[in-house]
Amino acid sequence: DAKTTQPPSMDCAEGRAANLPCNHSTISGNEYVYWYRQIHSQGPQYIIHGLKNNETNEMASLIITEDRKSSTLILPHATLRDTAVYYCIVRVGRGGTSYGKLTFGQGTILTVHP
Amino acid sequence: GAVVSQHPSWVICKSGTSVKIECRSLDFQATTMFWYRQFPKQSLMLMATSNEGSKATYEQGVEKDKFLINHASLTLSTLTVTSAHPEDSSFYICSASPPGTNYGYTFGSGTRLTVV
Repeated sequence: DAKTTQPPSMDCAEGRAANLPCNHSTISGNEYVYWYRQIHSQGPQYIIHGLKNNETNEMASLIITEDRKSSTLILPHATLRDTAVYYCIVRVGRGGTSYGKLTFGQGTILTVHP
Repeated sequence: GAVVSQHPSWVICKSGTSVKIECRSLDFQATTMFWYRQFPKQSLMLMATSNEGSKATYEQGVEKDKFLINHASLTLSTLTVTSAHPEDSSFYICSASPPGTNYGYTFGSGTRLTVV
């Protein structure tokens, strides 16, 4: 799976949008971008994923650049409960030979302030 | 939504004893489950892939005789830490992927193991 690079930490004011960047310059054509988050002492939680089109769900939006070498996770109205470590992971989709393994980097520690 | 249940959520054991951690897929069948380990202030590291009805696949550097994995049914995988030592103290997390979806994996809530 392609390697990802994320800033180690970010701060955000409550109610404002949190924009978390991720670089994945070696991404392959069949690799998806997945985002998970981990709140302290809990298992990771799936947020969103995409291949090349921008995606939105009830939790967040995912913006993928046209060349797919980077992406941004957007939490539109951050709350204190969004304080967590956010992981950007690039991997093949279901059906790929290496589907199954998730390789977690260090992620970004997002701290939402009152 | 798909739920993966992990039990116990925390356990304290004496050095030299064995501890079993259970991972269950509650509303779907999982032929494959994954076990991760996370040390404080570190990221998750994949330990092994649990395969229903066959042997688990261990990542490099993980002792298969120390971390026994059993995946006897389509909804249950167990990880047994044998002869536990203080250095095995960690946060253990399992995950599985609901079939028919491409949205990724569902994780259990994790088990905090403390060996004293």
